[in-house]
Amino acid sequence: DGGITQSPKYLFRKEGQNVTLSCEQNLNHDAMYWYRQDPGQGLRLIYYSQIVNDFQKGDIAEGYSVSREKKESFPLTVTSAQKNPTAFYLCASRETGGRTGELFFGEGSRLTVL
Amino acid sequence: GQSLEQPSEVTAVEGAIVQINCTYQTSGFYGLSWYQQHDGGAPTFLSYNGLDGLEETGRFSSFLSRSDSYGYLLLQELQMKDSASYFCAVSGYSTLTFGKGTMLLVSP
Repeated sequence: DGGITQSPKYLFRKEGQNVTLSCEQNLNHDAMYWYRQDPGQGLRLIYYSQIVNDFQKGDIAEGYSVSREKKESFPLTVTSAQKNPTAFYLCASRETGGRTGELFFGEGSRLTVL
Repeated sequence: GQSLEQPSEVTAVEGAIVQINCTYQTSGFYGLSWYQQHDGGAPTFLSYNGLDGLEETGRFSSFLSRSDSYGYLLLQELQMKDSASYFCAVSGYSTLTFGKGTMLLVSP
């Protein structure tokens, strides 16, 4: 079954700690995205990658970092510099050159900073 | 930059028809998408309009007018399971920008 796997589903972190969220896809998609969602809010773009070894900042990249060493994987690190990291994080992928409006989402990772 | 406006909440009864509007301001517009998200879950793709007009997929239809920077999602024969948040999203060349979402509450 093709899809996107995010882990962990729930994560608790103390202030000042970095944490890495995993995102793996087996859809053979070139483009991958990280969004943040706060309660009652829409999705805001953190980082995206169109191809391996390349990525770009989204609207709210400060305090986050990513890597794209493999086509299948796009991990997100929430650093201690992120002022308000408690949120629901969603990873998505899109088929380059395909139906441009369709993103495939993982089930999300809910991060809580204690 | 890009901005989208959609109502925060809409209520309806089972069997009814409801329309969720979306207006946008953007540069580099390729199309308008709609997503459904149940509480605590992942967004799922519903429809995409790359051209003006109506797209129909079962009980759901979506409309786009590029000249008016406006679109809507039409849900017919509402069911309780349609209670969810609905997001419009503008497609640019590389990314999608989402609205804040409309919470649809369907009552018996």
